[in-house]
Amino acid sequence: EVQLVESGGGLVQPGGSLRLSCAASGFTFSSHSMNWVRQAPGKGLEWVSYISSSSSTIYYADSVKGRFTISRDNAKNSLYLQMNSLRAEDTALYYCARVVVTDRRLDIDYWGQGTLVTVSS
Amino acid sequence: QTVVTQEPSLTVSPGGTVTLTCTSNTGAVTSGYYPNWFQQKPGQAPRALIYSTSNKHSWTPARFSGSLLGGKAALTLSGVQPEDEAEYYCLLYYGGAWVFGGGTKLTVL
Repeated sequence: EVQLVESGGGLVQPGGSLRLSCAASGFTFSSHSMNWVRQAPGKGLEWVSYISSSSSTIYYADSVKGRFTISRDNAKNSLYLQMNSLRAEDTALYYCARVVVTDRRLDIDYWGQGTLVTVSS
Repeated sequence: QTVVTQEPSLTVSPGGTVTLTCTSNTGAVTSGYYPNWFQQKPGQAPRALIYSTSNKHSWTPARFSGSLLGGKAALTLSGVQPEDEAEYYCLLYYGGAWVFGGGTKLTVL
């Protein structure tokens, strides 16, 4: 069974930093690209960042570019999101999500339950 | 700025059929955008329904189908069940970035 478990969320002051983790199990983590997606309270989904299976390709949404860094440790089956210079508008539930990439597919198939980040003074 | 638009809300009767659409402000949606559809119920994580325009995951009920209609990605629910009441999101790929639609709140009444 595919499982994605996020952790590391919490309350942080504006301008502060936080590092999110996502522990993956039930599949070959090193074979899959991953995404971070967030959802502000009562709002829709927003894609945040993508990392390929080997970390060779990384993308960021414009809203987080230069402030957030995605990374992974395939030996530990873990995905990370380092968030710096946090703003109130970064307050959201952060999901990690598995990405399927083939010649015919580019999609998210599994999601974690999310970890809540609150940026407030 | 790339914007993906969905109907904010739709209402359907049990047993009925409803089509949700997903529009891009950059032009017609094609298979090259790899349209995805997700269902989210209150307090739950999103669940994947459709990938690459029209393909179903192993867990996707048969009453859900995806297509391209008139330059839009579309999700059709046929024989709607009360448990289909949820928020539905489309997702499009723009070559190095993904953009979600704003979501459609589907009410089954």
